[in-house]
Amino acid sequence: QVQLQESGPGLVKPSETLSLTCTVSGGSISSYYWSWIRQPPGKGLEWIGYISYSGSTNYNPSLKSRVTLSVDTSKNQFSLKLSSVTAADTAMYYCARFTVTNSLVTWFDPWGQGPLVTVSS
Amino acid sequence: SYDLTQPPSVSVSPGQTASITCSGDKLGDKYASWYQQKPGQSPMLVIYQDSKRPSGIPERFSGSNSGNTATLTISGTQAMDEADYYCQAWDSSTVVFGGGTKLTVL
Repeated sequence: QVQLQESGPGLVKPSETLSLTCTVSGGSISSYYWSWIRQPPGKGLEWIGYISYSGSTNYNPSLKSRVTLSVDTSKNQFSLKLSSVTAADTAMYYCARFTVTNSLVTWFDPWGQGPLVTVSS
Repeated sequence: SYDLTQPPSVSVSPGQTASITCSGDKLGDKYASWYQQKPGQSPMLVIYQDSKRPSGIPERFSGSNSGNTATLTISGTQAMDEADYYCQAWDSSTVVFGGGTKLTVL
């Protein structure tokens, strides 16, 4: 059974870069897409982007200029970098496996537990 | 950009049927997924491809999608079903989430 675990700093200063890593266990990172979703406190879900095991990416247009996703298949990990953060980037950051079929059926499953990342000086 | 609209809240009595809607332009031409999120937990997939249930999801959860509206239906609602529910779809190579619906079982 595939499990995902996020890791990274829980506090980031304004204007700096938020960096998180998601480790996949119980299965290979190959042959799937992997995604990041965030949720500000008390608010809804916002898709950040996804990356394939081969490194192809797709980002939310609203965040595209600040987001970089990468994958390390040797470590079964994928990572998120979000630059120039502000208080508005304070949120729970979840990693999840993303499925998209040829018929454009899409879903996220499973999800990690998500760390709360706070942007504050 | 594509928008999915959900009612902020839905209330249901235990044992009754709860229906949560998700509206979007020609949503019936796309596929909808639904997620359940309980307080302090990460979201969990309960419906994908409009009406399919992942392994382990109770049969009381069902889904439909037609026209401009996708609907998540919970039959015989239990207290444990109280949670936030989010719909999700794919449009123009972009993932879109609805704003979420808080289901209260009272």
